Amino acid sequence: QVQLRESGLRLLKPSETLSLICDVSGGSIFGSNWWSWVRQSPGRGLEWLGEVYYTGTTNYNGSLKGRVTVSVDSSKSQFSLTLTSLTAADTAVYYCAVLYAGQFFQYWGQGILVTVSS
Amino acid sequence: SYDLTQPPSMSVSPGQAATFTCSGDALPNQYAHWYQQRTGQAPLLVIYEDKKRPSGISERFSGSRSGTVATLTVRGAQVEDEADYYCYSTDSTGNQRVFGGGTKLTVL
Repeated sequence: QVQLRESGLRLLKPSETLSLICDVSGGSIFGSNWWSWVRQSPGRGLEWLGEVYYTGTTNYNGSLKGRVTVSVDSSKSQFSLTLTSLTAADTAVYYCAVLYAGQFFQYWGQGILVTVSS
Repeated sequence: SYDLTQPPSMSVSPGQAATFTCSGDALPNQYAHWYQQRTGQAPLLVIYEDKKRPSGISERFSGSRSGTVATLTVRGAQVEDEADYYCYSTDSTGNQRVFGGGTKLTVL
């Protein structure tokens, strides 16, 4: 079973850039799966942010207006999330997840709480 | 943008069936999937592709889809089933992934 673990800075200031890494273990980053990021603001629902295929092909949530970038480093079995121009509204638990065959999120990381505050 | 609509909350007595609905205009042509999220935990896939159950998920969980509405049913609800339940699907293009707002289940 694939296991995922998020890491990165947990406290950022408004206007700064969020950078998170997801380490993939127990399975190959190659193949038919897509590697995704989903976030959940405190007390709110789930929001898909974007995803990457091992080839580097990406797909993003259009509502984020170009602020989000997802990339993959196959040599390290990692993929990453970058979110620019942060505001307090970006405070959330950020999850990395496996999008099985591009269909549904099969496995999730434990999540990392990122707080944006001055 | 595309939306999936779920009632915000539901309450059932132990042993009763809990039925969750999710409505969306693209559902006639896109699969629905369901997640259970207990407090402080990551979401857990309980139904995929409308009605399939992942390994390890109780047979009490079942799903269906008809027209613009997808349904998740939990038979014989137990206190351990208390959680938020989210439906997930894609828009008509298949490129934008969307979660419903979630339904909070209380069993008491």
